[in-house]
Amino acid sequence: EAQVTQNPRYLITVTGKKLTVTCSQNMNHEYMSWYRQDPGLGLRQIYYSMNVEVTDKGDVPEGYKVSRKEKRNFPLILESPSPNQTSLYFCASSLSRQGRGYTFGSGTRLTVV
Amino acid sequence: GENVEQHPSTLSVQEGDSAVIKCTYSDSASNYFPWYKQELGKRPQLIIDIRSNVGEKKDQRIAVTLNKTAKHFSLHITETQPEDSAVYFCAASYGQNFVFGPGTRLSVLP
Repeated sequence: EAQVTQNPRYLITVTGKKLTVTCSQNMNHEYMSWYRQDPGLGLRQIYYSMNVEVTDKGDVPEGYKVSRKEKRNFPLILESPSPNQTSLYFCASSLSRQGRGYTFGSGTRLTVV
Repeated sequence: GENVEQHPSTLSVQEGDSAVIKCTYSDSASNYFPWYKQELGKRPQLIIDIRSNVGEKKDQRIAVTLNKTAKHFSLHITETQPEDSAVYFCAASYGQNFVFGPGTRLSVLP
């Protein structure tokens, strides 16, 4: 089944403790992206990647890192999480800009205390 | 950069009525416009999309229209049903990326 898989679905952590949210897609998509969703603010892009080893900042990249060493994986790294990073995170992938938009993962609800 | 506005932010309709959500974009180079539906607690899912070489596209009860000159596009839902209640996001292509509108919360009242 074609899908974007995120892990974990839920995570509670403490301020400053490094964490990684994994994202993997099995559709051979070139484009991958991370979004955070907060009430009233819609979907805000954190980082995106157009291919292996090609990443770029979105609208809200501060406090986040990403890597794209393989086509299928695009992990989101929070080196030192803070409470303002408490949010719902979505990974998404797309074949290309000529493709059919993004396929989203199931989401990761992160709480930083 | 691209800016996508979406109106209204909330919309309530009676079951069976039509709903219309409008979006405007700023970058005349945008050529692909998808719409997503997000049910409560779920991921956004693509419901319909349109390319710049087409003015209208329909899929059963949903349709999207595009006016490239005015840089706006709209989602039309006819004969609304309770299961249409969700948040709807429009998006516009920007280079090799997408910019989303802020979303519209649609409530279909029985």
